[in-house]
This record gives sequence, structure tokens and C-alpha cells, in this order.
Amino acid sequence: DAGVIQSPRHEVTEMGQEVTLRCKPISGHDYLFWYRQTMMRGLELLIYFNNNVPIDDSGMPEDRFSAKMPNASFSTLKIQPSEPRDSAVYFCASSLLAGASGTQYFGPGTRLTVL
Amino acid sequence: QKEVEQNSGPLSVPEGAIASLNCTYSDRGSQSFFWYRQYSGKSPELIMSIYSNGDKEDGRFTAQLNKASQYVSLLIRDSQPSDSATYLCAAIPPGGSTLGRLYFGRGTQLTVWP
Repeated sequence: DAGVIQSPRHEVTEMGQEVTLRCKPISGHDYLFWYRQTMMRGLELLIYFNNNVPIDDSGMPEDRFSAKMPNASFSTLKIQPSEPRDSAVYFCASSLLAGASGTQYFGPGTRLTVL
Repeated sequence: QKEVEQNSGPLSVPEGAIASLNCTYSDRGSQSFFWYRQYSGKSPELIMSIYSNGDKEDGRFTAQLNKASQYVSLLIRDSQPSDSATYLCAAIPPGGSTLGRLYFGRGTQLTVWP
């Protein structure tokens, strides 16, 4: 069974450009999470969805960030315009259930570098 | 205030020793706790979960929870070089048992030398 799939694995872009990160959760998982990981701040939850509906976007740093989940098998995280401080590894994770019952399975991550 | 705190390390132990990783959390209402392992350049993977006070053992790993002290730990017995990784502690916030979010600590880097 395929795990969480993310693309691209690496992205290098220039400041001001639009960046779109993609995620395909594990089939049948109802929860999808977007995280950002940096040395300074560790692993931070940006937003998560339940049955394609955004539940908590309080971690989205600012309006430059947006996320969508048009269907159960696909989600995007968009940064427009990108800034050097957005450089980080972005993980997508999915789980079958919520909370204590829901093990989160992480994708391989997208390493974003904004020059 | 950070919800989950960990000593960033690095923690270095010899092969065969017991590695002890510690985590504290700020919200007394937190009920469920998790330990994730993250190898360098890889994604986090769940290795242990614990919900009740006391110890929970799984192979070489033992998770310990003390809710009165708001303290969670992970012991790795007979440490192996393959255990070298960053260990992330995570907690579900109060009221979050039916929701999705986890709060992660920044992780403790463990090195097991042969």
C-alpha cells in the first residue's frame, strides 16, 4: 500500500514566486495535515482537514499561505508570494482517525528553498 | 509558551547503554502522548504512544508518563547505532481527543556510538 505521496521533493525558487506543494494521502484516511519543519521552530502544524474540510488553520503563518483539498485524494499548499523565511521542509501527513486513535503517517516531505 | 518542551541535546550514549529522552508539557489537561522518531533527512514515524500514568513497554522501548509532574519520557534499552535519530515528543491538547491536532516538541537528537 502506498504511503503519503508528496511532490515535488525539492523546490528551489526565487523570492516573490508562487510555490505549490502537493500531497496525496493514504487511501481511506479522513484526516490530512500540513506541517512545516525548521531548525528554529521545529515541527509546526499549519492546517488540517477532515473529510476535505479545513478544521484548523490557526497555524497558517499569514495570508500568503493557502491550502485546499478539492477531493479525498489530493491537497495543495500554496505560498504566494514566497519569501526566504518560508524556506523549510513541508510535510503532509494523513490519519484514519482523529486524536489518540489516529496515528499520523507522514509523507517524505518537500524541501523548499526560497532565494 | 511552548506546549511541549524537549532538551534538544545532542544526547550521546555508547552502544548497549540505556538512552533516556525527556519531555515536559505545559497544559495539565493534555491526555495523550506520542514519541516519533525521525532519521536525518527523513519524515517522522510513530514508535510509541501512552495515555495512562506509568510505564508502557514495546520491545526495547519504554514510555513513561507522569501526569502529576507533566512529564513524559522514552527509554531505549540496549541502544544500537541504528537508534541514532531525532526523537520528537507530541501531545494532544485538552479537548483535542476527537480532533486532529498534535503539538510537537522540537526534538532531541540521539547519537549511539559503537
